[in-house]
Amino acid sequence: GNSVTQMEGPVTLSEEAFLTINCTYTATGYPSLFWYVQYPGEGLQLLLKATKADDKGSNKGFEATYRKETTSFHLEKGSVQVSDSAVYFCALSHILTGGGNKLTFGTGTQLKVEL
Amino acid sequence: GAVVSQHPSWVICKSGTSVKIECRSLDFQATTMFWYRQFPKQSLMLMATSNEGSKATYEQGVEKDKFLINHASLTLSTLTVTSAHPEDSSFYICSATGTSGRSSYEQYFGPGTRLTVT
Repeated sequence: GNSVTQMEGPVTLSEEAFLTINCTYTATGYPSLFWYVQYPGEGLQLLLKATKADDKGSNKGFEATYRKETTSFHLEKGSVQVSDSAVYFCALSHILTGGGNKLTFGTGTQLKVEL
Repeated sequence: GAVVSQHPSWVICKSGTSVKIECRSLDFQATTMFWYRQFPKQSLMLMATSNEGSKATYEQGVEKDKFLINHASLTLSTLTVTSAHPEDSSFYICSATGTSGRSSYEQYFGPGTRLTVT
């Protein structure tokens, strides 16, 4: 079956530090890959996505590249801010019979950015 | 665009009562809606998938008689927690996929509903 593995948190960084959150996956076929962000007390927001191998998703300074050879989709940001403090979820999707998709999430990684 | 709302955002109910949570797609038609449950500091657990006009498909281990899902229209799905107990306290999140010019497979998430059963 499909699964997503993320590095455990919390990850604590100083402002302007470099961020990497590792994500690897197991899936049949060619899933799309996503990073979602959840701020305290809120639902999930799509941060970025990639739909095929070697695609790079990017948004708000965050980047992740779909690496089929290593089955990875690591999230990176060159300089984090306090406002980036949140929980980050890696996810993959596969298409359901009859349409629509089903998301499989990793366990989430909490990021804390301090001044 | 692609906004999903949930109501209420938080609710407190007494043990043994039922509570209904609404999920609405505000600017697109949601052919499929999903209901998730999130425990503190844990990932989202998919509870069920519902398609408009048909019965919901529940994930293994989810009691369909306890968590009633209705997807009566292309913009509204409801989750009713029946005879709620303190262990049902959780954060419930819905998401929706649709068409109307957007990716028909991307899920758009609601802001979540915090349920506390006393």
